[in-house]
Amino acid sequence: DAKTTQPTSMDCAEGRAANLPCNHSTISGNEYVYWYRQIHSQGPQYIIHGLKNNETNEMASLIITEDRKSSTLILPHATLRDTAVYYCIVRVRQGAQKLVFGQGTRLTINP
Amino acid sequence: DAGVIQSPRHEVTEMGQEVTLRCKPISGHDYLFWYRQTMMRGLELLIYFNNNVPIDDSGMPEDRFSAKMPNASFSTLKIQPSEPRDSAVYFCASRRTSGGVDTQYFGPGTRLTVL
Repeated sequence: DAKTTQPTSMDCAEGRAANLPCNHSTISGNEYVYWYRQIHSQGPQYIIHGLKNNETNEMASLIITEDRKSSTLILPHATLRDTAVYYCIVRVRQGAQKLVFGQGTRLTINP
Repeated sequence: DAGVIQSPRHEVTEMGQEVTLRCKPISGHDYLFWYRQTMMRGLELLIYFNNNVPIDDSGMPEDRFSAKMPNASFSTLKIQPSEPRDSAVYFCASRRTSGGVDTQYFGPGTRLTVL
């Protein structure tokens, strides 16, 4: 699986959009970008995933650059409950089952 | 759906004792994963099962660790004998293959402290 690089920490004001970047310059053609988050003292929670098109669901939007070497997770209207560690994971969707978690980005939403 | 259920939520034991962690996956899910999380090493995959069969145990730290899945609704992770360095939060996760959905759903974790 391709390696990912994320900032260690970020801050965002409540009600504003939180934009979390992830670099995955060695991503290969059949690898997907997944985002999970882990709220303090809870298990990780799936947010969204994508291959090359931008994706949106009820939790977030995922913007993947055309060359697929980086992506951005967008929380459109961050709330205090979005304070968590956010993990960007790149892996092949079919066959391989492992999720390899890096250190993630610790996002703090400030009131 | 109740989600992935883990027990106990907290376990405190003394070095040398046997520890058994339990997991009930989401009904209908055919994959089950055991992870360990520590400050030093982050979140690591220990082992995973498919249809109750262990597929990859390369993450199991040593022979003191063993995992079983006797049926589709129950799995255990056993540490015998336990050591202080085993102190961590242990997560169980499950997912299903069908329908193109490959999201892993995590349980609340078991916080293990070995004194």
